[in-house]
Amino acid sequence: EVQLLQSGGGLGQPGGSLRLSCVASGFIFKTYDMNWVRQIPGKGLEWVSGITGSGGGTYYAAPVQGRFNISRDNTKNTFFLQMNNLRADDTAVYYCAKSKFHFSETSGYAFDVWGQGAVVTVSS
Amino acid sequence: DILMTQSPLSLPVTPGEPASISCKSSQSLLHDNGYNYLEWYVQRPGQSPQLLIFLGFNRASGVPDRFSGSGSGTDFTLKISRVEAEDVGIYFCMQALQIPRAFGQGTKLEIK
Repeated sequence: EVQLLQSGGGLGQPGGSLRLSCVASGFIFKTYDMNWVRQIPGKGLEWVSGITGSGGGTYYAAPVQGRFNISRDNTKNTFFLQMNNLRADDTAVYYCAKSKFHFSETSGYAFDVWGQGAVVTVSS
Repeated sequence: DILMTQSPLSLPVTPGEPASISCKSSQSLLHDNGYNYLEWYVQRPGQSPQLLIFLGFNRASGVPDRFSGSGSGTDFTLKISRVEAEDVGIYFCMQALQIPRAFGQGTKLEIK
């Protein structure tokens, strides 16, 4: 079965750090681009970051550029979102998502598999 | 950055009746390769989002054929030919042409 299993998240302090992980199974992980998407409770979806299959291309939304870092370990079928210098407006449910297709200069398109979501709360 | 605008934001529908959601982008989503990089997702209550449509009109695996996508350039539409109770949820369009990806605000479909 193709699936993504998330871990990490929880409560973080303003200015602090948290790390999210997403473990993939059921597909050849290294050949697919991956993404992080977040959702403020009761609100819409916001794409946060993406990474190409090789890890050579990384992309970020403006609000997290310079604070968040996306990476992957293809030997462990896992990718990560390291969140630094957290702010209150980073509070959200974070989803990992697999891209079905690669598309040049991006982290792919058609997010066909999603993780279960991880709650991140930034508060003192 | 490309901005996505959906309408309506709330859509009450009687079961068995059709439904239609509009999505407009601030820039054309038509690539030189002839494809429109527009996707539709649904988030059912308590669940993660699910891909419905990609490249404007292609149904994702397992999506019923009562769902259809159309449009080109900056104007797109998701149609449900006959709404069923299980279609309740929030529908989002997303542009996949450029980084950063951008979603519409979401359209909440509810059953009358």
